[in-house]
Amino acid sequence: DTEVTQTPKHLVMGMTNKKSLKCEQHMGHRAMYWYKQKAKKPPELMFVYSYEKLSINESVPSRFSPECPNSSLLNLHLHALQPEDSALYLCASSRGDTSRTGELFFGEGSRLTVL
Amino acid sequence: AQSVAQPEDQVNVAEGNPLTVKCTYSVSGNPYLFWYVQYPNRGLQFLLKYITGDNLVKGSYGFEAEFNKSQTSFHLKKPSALVSDSALYFCAVRADSGTYKYIFGTGTRLKVLA
Repeated sequence: DTEVTQTPKHLVMGMTNKKSLKCEQHMGHRAMYWYKQKAKKPPELMFVYSYEKLSINESVPSRFSPECPNSSLLNLHLHALQPEDSALYLCASSRGDTSRTGELFFGEGSRLTVL
Repeated sequence: AQSVAQPEDQVNVAEGNPLTVKCTYSVSGNPYLFWYVQYPNRGLQFLLKYITGDNLVKGSYGFEAEFNKSQTSFHLKKPSALVSDSALYFCAVRADSGTYKYIFGTGTRLKVLA
């Protein structure tokens, strides 16, 4: 069982909707990540939060807006998405100190379909 | 720049036979290397990692991987494949320069035939 919980598992939204994806972990990890994954492709990094501060933004369009309310929670706010944004969105966490060698712990993902 | 290559899109192996899934990498500095497995419509699960030390790393579900610095490879192996090992496998690398960026390979689909 994964220790990173993502909700919802499935989301269908229109191009004018506003929705959010949520991620939660209780492992005490201080780095949290959003990845986007298309079918049969590797995960693509979108954002990294380290100690609740945005550390990496991989030039993601502004229609995706991340938020890290506290060390256990990570949100991804979605607005005015395009059909090509349909994908599996994966949340991950790691220990947070870049000098450490921690692996990523992934959630099960949120399957997003944009109509 | 960091990169990871998985040269095989798919590997087929008979149940009970040994399996190898190949991975080569390119980083500046010492690499941190990882293998993950993904089942359909699921997240990625961590299998094993190489940080330092013994070149042969043992991980979950009977998998192991051998780090070869001269060949810049980190191949995943298992002595006896199971049908339930059929999944998508990703190799990943992180340079030791204090980064949160993990670079993933393109993935290899393993099919174990009964």
